[in-house]
Amino acid sequence: GEDVEQSLFLSVREGDSSVINCTYTDSSSTYLYWYKQEPGAGLQLLTYIFSNMDMKQDQRLTVLLNKKDKHLSLRIADTQTGDSAIYFCAENGGGFKTIFGAGTRLFVKA
Amino acid sequence: NAGVTQTPKFRILKIGQSMTLQCAQDMNHNYMYWYRQDPGMGLKLIYYSVGAGITDKGEVPNGYNVSRSTTEDFPLRLELAAPSQTSVYFCASGRQGSPLHFGNGTRLTVT
Repeated sequence: GEDVEQSLFLSVREGDSSVINCTYTDSSSTYLYWYKQEPGAGLQLLTYIFSNMDMKQDQRLTVLLNKKDKHLSLRIADTQTGDSAIYFCAENGGGFKTIFGAGTRLFVKA
Repeated sequence: NAGVTQTPKFRILKIGQSMTLQCAQDMNHNYMYWYRQDPGMGLKLIYYSVGAGITDKGEVPNGYNVSRSTTEDFPLRLELAAPSQTSVYFCASGRQGSPLHFGNGTRLTVT
């Protein structure tokens, strides 16, 4: 079945760049999402990319998609303590089913 | 714009009690979902619905029931609560090809 995998933890220093990686198995994925979950809150959509794109940039966020390797990454430039959260990678093939990874917990050290 | 509203925010249940977690969305979304998130874990799909009157099981449906009598509401029923159902429950809604919108969750403890 479809699966989405991501590393569980990432620790960076404030001001450095963070790169969170994700791999997925569904070759028919049409939409790939990054969600952010802050402590005690629900998931908020951070950014997304369509499968026919290689890259998307949105202020401090850069999403890279390697469709051949089924690899997605999220780069956060100039990481701040407020970026500390859990980041979920998710994919959707265009239907009702969205598959989530287990989430990467980002720690930002001051 | 309320989005997805979940009630209650917190609840403590004794083993064997029952309760209903409420979820409502005002975005006219066809798709609605219930997930649970255990500490340090990702999301597991409990039940989903693709429209009013249609529901289906997800990965972990045992011990839960749902109904979808209207587009807006998707309540989750726990019968005979067990400690294994201690979790944070998230409701989400969406439409085809669009990202999901999540509620803020219900934190449930069963003791």
